[in-house]
Amino acid sequence: RKEVEQDPGPFNVPEGATVAFNCTYSNSASQSFFWYRQDCRKEPKLLMSVYSSGNEDGRFTAQLNRASQYISLLIRDSKLSDSATYLCVVTRGRRALTFGSGTRLQVQP
Amino acid sequence: EADIYQTPRYLVIGTGKKITLECSQTMGHDKMYWYQQDPGMELHLIHYSYGVNSTEKGDLSSESTVSRIRTEHFPLTLESARPSHTSQYLCASSVAGDYDTQYFGPGTRLTVL
Repeated sequence: RKEVEQDPGPFNVPEGATVAFNCTYSNSASQSFFWYRQDCRKEPKLLMSVYSSGNEDGRFTAQLNRASQYISLLIRDSKLSDSATYLCVVTRGRRALTFGSGTRLQVQP
Repeated sequence: EADIYQTPRYLVIGTGKKITLECSQTMGHDKMYWYQQDPGMELHLIHYSYGVNSTEKGDLSSESTVSRIRTEHFPLTLESARPSHTSQYLCASSVAGDYDTQYFGPGTRLTVL
């Protein structure tokens, strides 16, 4: 079983839609959680950290459920520029990040 | 924008050649990492370093080696390239801290013929 699992998608949504991605992680000792965004053939870039109490950054909301070991990302009012692959990332202490394989989002006009 | 650089961006090379992929960052980050990513697949950690003269192997077995003689520089070397090494190699760095936000370089796309 992979340490971080994501639905690969693609999620095809119209502009303005709200879309949500979930991610599950297997190691209960995981300490830090992130969403990264990766455009086609580009490097990943941090989208947002995920805090235990949940956090929001503009149109993006991240939630963490430690009991069920899943993380979610909600995107409201989708833009064409949101089209990308969204990577769920967890870390345990000194260890480097463990990446999920990503969920691909395609926002259509 | 993150100040982390990788060269070359693209490399096509024959089997058996020795290659070094360069990675430099000007942010003074202690931690640096190398990941390997095949198209449409997840990133796999192959090496990391928590400071000068510190290097460790990552989760994915790799025939490459790394060195960390200076804080800003973390080169990756393949002594004898093979077609199975064809992939994208991403370098990243982070400050030492609780949340370990990583900044990635643009990557080197390696093709071994």
